[in-house]
Amino acid sequence: NAGVMQNPRHLVRRRGQEARLRCSPMKGHSHVYWYRQLPEEGLKFMVYLQKENIIDESGMPKERFSAEFPKEGPSILRIQQVVRGDSAAYFCASSLEQGIGTYNEQFFGPGTRLTVL
Amino acid sequence: KQEVTQIPAALSVPEGENLVLNCSFTDSAIYNLQWFRQDPGKGLTSLLLIQSSQREQTSGRLNASLDKSSGRSTLYIAASQPGDSATYLCAVRNTGGFKTIFGAGTRLFVKA
Repeated sequence: NAGVMQNPRHLVRRRGQEARLRCSPMKGHSHVYWYRQLPEEGLKFMVYLQKENIIDESGMPKERFSAEFPKEGPSILRIQQVVRGDSAAYFCASSLEQGIGTYNEQFFGPGTRLTVL
Repeated sequence: KQEVTQIPAALSVPEGENLVLNCSFTDSAIYNLQWFRQDPGKGLTSLLLIQSSQREQTSGRLNASLDKSSGRSTLYIAASQPGDSATYLCAVRNTGGFKTIFGAGTRLFVKA
């Protein structure tokens, strides 16, 4: 019963390159959230997706960042033309979200630590 | 706009002590509140989830309470152990949306 998987765990990019972060939710979960944790700061919500739909992207920067959760395969957080300020830990969480109760408990992956040189 | 505050920011206690971590939020229209622990360089582990209609949840030595009217939640840790040393995060999910707002966390150190 694997938990939320994220890869890569560590990613190094040079300024201007693209970063692709992957998240595979827990088995049976169809709802995915992405968060960013800057050094010495708390977690900030970025985006909430269901299969093939972006539900809430109010926390996403307007430019260079995009997210998807296709019908098949993992959710992808894509950062184009990375800058040093993008260096952070990016966490993915998933939930069942069916009805109320424990179905909306969020389970987190181990994170991807992005370093931009 | 929902804001979540955790007090204290850091706490150091001797092993065996009972302790309380505090979380306050400004908007009482919440869907649920979840407590997590985060170890250095690691992801988040869910500890307890309290629905808006609930007053408390318990798991082992942990007990979390929720008072929506006053905008407060507490995490009670009984008989603390060195293995409890971690950062504890409180997260609030609002009604009418899907955004989850995190507090900055309480960094706990339990001395052997």
